[in-house]
Amino acid sequence: EVQLVESGGGLVQPGGSLRLSCAASGFTFSSYWMSWVRQAPGKGLEWVANIKQDGSEKYYVDSVKGRFTISRDNAKNSLYLQMNSLRAEDTAVYYCARGGQQLVPIYFDYWGQGTLVTVSS
Amino acid sequence: QTVVTQEPSFSVSPGGTVTLTCGLSSGSVSTSYYPSWYQQTPGQAPRTLIYSTNTRSSGVPDRFSGSILGNKAALTITGAQADDESDYYCVLYMGSGISVFGTGTKVTVL
Repeated sequence: EVQLVESGGGLVQPGGSLRLSCAASGFTFSSYWMSWVRQAPGKGLEWVANIKQDGSEKYYVDSVKGRFTISRDNAKNSLYLQMNSLRAEDTAVYYCARGGQQLVPIYFDYWGQGTLVTVSS
Repeated sequence: QTVVTQEPSFSVSPGGTVTLTCGLSSGSVSTSYYPSWYQQTPGQAPRTLIYSTNTRSSGVPDRFSGSILGNKAALTITGAQADDESDYYCVLYMGSGISVFGTGTKVTVL
């Protein structure tokens, strides 16, 4: 059974940093694109970042470029999101999602339950 | 800035059929965008319904189907049930590793 379990969310002050983790199990982690998707309170879903199977390609939504870094450790079956220079508008539930095995990240097929990040003073 | 547009809301009767669409603020949606569809109920994680235009995800009932209608991607729910009442989001793959979610459609079954 595919499982994705996020952790690391919490309350942080504007300008602060936070590192999210996603522990994956039930599949060959190194064979899949992985992604982070977020949802601000009462708002829609927003794609944040994609990372290729071997970590060689990383892509970000414009609003987080230069502030967020997606990474993975295939030996630990784990996905990460390092978030720096956090802003109030980054407040959201952050979901870890599994992508496909294709050459490009064309969809998300399994989702974690999410972890809440609140940026406030 | 590319905007992926969806109807804000739809209402459907139990047993009825509803078609949601997913368009671009500029241009047409084709299979090259690999449209996918996701269902989300309040407080829950999204659930994948359809990917690559018309492939149902594992365990998704066949009353959900995906297609291209004109210049948009479409999700059709045939024989709507009460537990289909949810928010529905499409995603388009824009190339260069970039994915964009649609604005979402709230479906009410009554």
